[in-house]
Amino acid sequence: AQSVTQPDIHITVSEGASLELRCNYSYGATPYLFWYVQSPGQGLQLLLKYFSGDTLVQGIKGFEAEFKRSQSSFNLRKPSVHWSDAAEYFCAVAVLSGYSTLTFGKGTMLLVSP
Amino acid sequence: NAGVTQTPKFRVLKTGQSMTLLCAQDMNHEYMYWYRQDPGMGLRLIHYSVGEGTTAKGEVPDGYNVSRLKKQNFLLGLESAAPSQTSVYFCASSLPLTSAAYEQYFGPGTRLTVT
Repeated sequence: AQSVTQPDIHITVSEGASLELRCNYSYGATPYLFWYVQSPGQGLQLLLKYFSGDTLVQGIKGFEAEFKRSQSSFNLRKPSVHWSDAAEYFCAVAVLSGYSTLTFGKGTMLLVSP
Repeated sequence: NAGVTQTPKFRVLKTGQSMTLLCAQDMNHEYMYWYRQDPGMGLRLIHYSVGEGTTAKGEVPDGYNVSRLKKQNFLLGLESAAPSQTSVYFCASSLPLTSAAYEQYFGPGTRLTVT
C-alpha cells in the first residue's frame, strides 16, 4: 500500500521568506500527487496536483511543487510567504489501481512570524 | 453551486447514542468519501462510494456504516457512539482518478464530541 511522509510537524517562517515543505511517498509506480491546504476550522482546498508530464507544477496562491522520482519526493515551495499562508498543509498520493483512493500525510503546520 | 455541504456542523453525543451525518454534493460526482481527522493523524478514510448503491471500506471503518441511496448524498452512521469517535468528520466528492480534472472537493466538516 502507498504511504506518505511529511517529516516536519511544524515549521515557522518569517513573512517574506521562502518556504519549502517536504513530502516523501512510498510506491513502486508513478503516483498521482497532491498538495492540499487547510485553514483553521475549514475544509481542505487543493493547491496543486501532479499526474504526469512536466515535473514542476504550478498551483494557486503562488505555490509550486517539484516531483523528483529519484528521491520519491514532491516538495511544496513558495518564494515569499505571506501571513495569510499560515495553515496546515497536507500531501496526498493516489495510485491508479481499482477504486483509487487518496492517502494523506499527517500534515505540516505552517506558522508565519512577522 | 454549493459544492459539498455537511449537516450538522457540530454535535455532542453521549456514549451509546446513535446519529447520522449527511453529506450532499451538487457537482454530479460519482465518487464520495468520508474521512475523520484527528490531531497529528492527518485524514483517514472511513468509507467511500464509487456510485449510487455501492459502498466500500476504507482504512478505519469499524463502528461506522454508510449508505448511498442517491448519487448526490452520502450518509455516515454511528450506531453506538464511543469516545474514540470524537473527531472532525469530512466528506468529499470527486470524479474518477482517470479524469484529468480529478480532485477531491471537501465539505466544511462536522465536529463530533462523544462524552
